[in-house]
Amino acid sequence: DVKVTQSSRYLVKRTGEKVFLECVQDMDHENMFWYRQDPGLGLRLIYFSYDVKMKEKGDIPEGYSVSREKKERFSLILESASTNQTSMYLCAGRRQASGNQPQHFGDGTRLSIL
Amino acid sequence: SQQGEEDPQALSIQEGENATMNCSYKTSINNLQWYRQNSGRGLVHLILIRSNEREKHSGRLRVTLDTSKKSSSLLITASRAADTASYFCATAPISGGYNKLIFGAGTRLAVHP
Repeated sequence: DVKVTQSSRYLVKRTGEKVFLECVQDMDHENMFWYRQDPGLGLRLIYFSYDVKMKEKGDIPEGYSVSREKKERFSLILESASTNQTSMYLCAGRRQASGNQPQHFGDGTRLSIL
Repeated sequence: SQQGEEDPQALSIQEGENATMNCSYKTSINNLQWYRQNSGRGLVHLILIRSNEREKHSGRLRVTLDTSKKSSSLLITASRAADTASYFCATAPISGGYNKLIFGAGTRLAVHP
């Protein structure tokens, strides 16, 4: 079975802190994604990565950055956390090999910024 | 604006009944995917249907795709309480290659014993 693991299920941080969300996949997938999920808005793409050290902005990258130093790990960084970044964050992986491939998701990190 | 929009937003049925959820989208796509999300958990992939396919089955799930109407439906037959979840359609628009998925806001399905 494919496995995408997010380091924390719940996280509480303070405004202004630098926050790291970690995601690890064991599928040797080239593509990895970070989304945030808010009620009534569905999932919105923050950043994605084609491969190691490759990244591309999604629809809502402001206030976030990412790091992909190893193929299996994709980190989302909130440079200076704000209360409007309180949300559910979901990481996903996807095999690049052919176009029509699904994404495989982790269980999510529910982040609260106080 | 959202590419995929599900209808209805919420659906409540009894065990054994069928559940139908619809998805409409706006631009040409490579494929359309359906995902399930149990409360507080991540999304689980259910079915991927390519733009040149019209119908696909997986167990109790049946997905149809009408590219002329830019719409899809997900049918769950003989529903069970364990089917209670939110269901999302996601489209891979041609303009985004295969990497980008655009999700709708989802349909919340409640199946009562």
